[in-house]
Amino acid sequence: DTAVSQTPKYLVTQMGNDKSIKCEQNLGHDTMYWYKQDSKKFLKIMFSYNNKELIINETVPNRFSPKSPDKAHLNLHINSLELGDSAVYFCASSQAPGGGWEAFFGQGTRLTVV
Amino acid sequence: AQSVTQLGSHVSVSEGALVLLRCNYSSSVPPYLFWYVQYPNQGLQLLLKYTSAATLVKGINGFEAEFKKSETSFHLTKPSAHMRDAAEYFCAVSDRGSNYQLIWGAGTKLIIKP
Repeated sequence: DTAVSQTPKYLVTQMGNDKSIKCEQNLGHDTMYWYKQDSKKFLKIMFSYNNKELIINETVPNRFSPKSPDKAHLNLHINSLELGDSAVYFCASSQAPGGGWEAFFGQGTRLTVV
Repeated sequence: AQSVTQLGSHVSVSEGALVLLRCNYSSSVPPYLFWYVQYPNQGLQLLLKYTSAATLVKGINGFEAEFKKSETSFHLTKPSAHMRDAAEYFCAVSDRGSNYQLIWGAGTKLIIKP
């Protein structure tokens, strides 16, 4: 039973399109995250939600919009996709924000914009 | 501001040799420290974490790390490398100063030579 699952695993799309990535966790965690990993493997946090409330909103283009319908789900919608959006996007969850709580990661969604 | 430095973007060791991956952090207060591993085309997985208990922390797959406050270091070691250890390794820190947000190192790719 996958703890943090995200779909799709691969996403190839054209510039200008709108796409969504879905994430679900079955760990009962309160906090969920979206990370972007670039081609050099550098990890950048994009958003964090705690109990469906946005608590971290890093400097990302407003074309990126997260949505948390409930504690177990955090989706990422991206408008007007650009070539520079190509990356691997990871969803993660933890029991609470930060502190000593470990983050559990999904398998990632490799987004390629052509 | 909190930061994490991982010395060496690539580390190459022979199978059976000692693995040493270096991590230094900046923090003015006792931090929480983590090592994560990322196997190819997978998400990140926690190897071990330091949360102000014992300074020598044992993790999965035979890895361990030692918290040295005087050196602000949290280096990861394994006595004998296996081929399956080939992966990307990330060090991360969180503390009150970062609002307990995880601050990530740039990652170190561990290459195992047969």
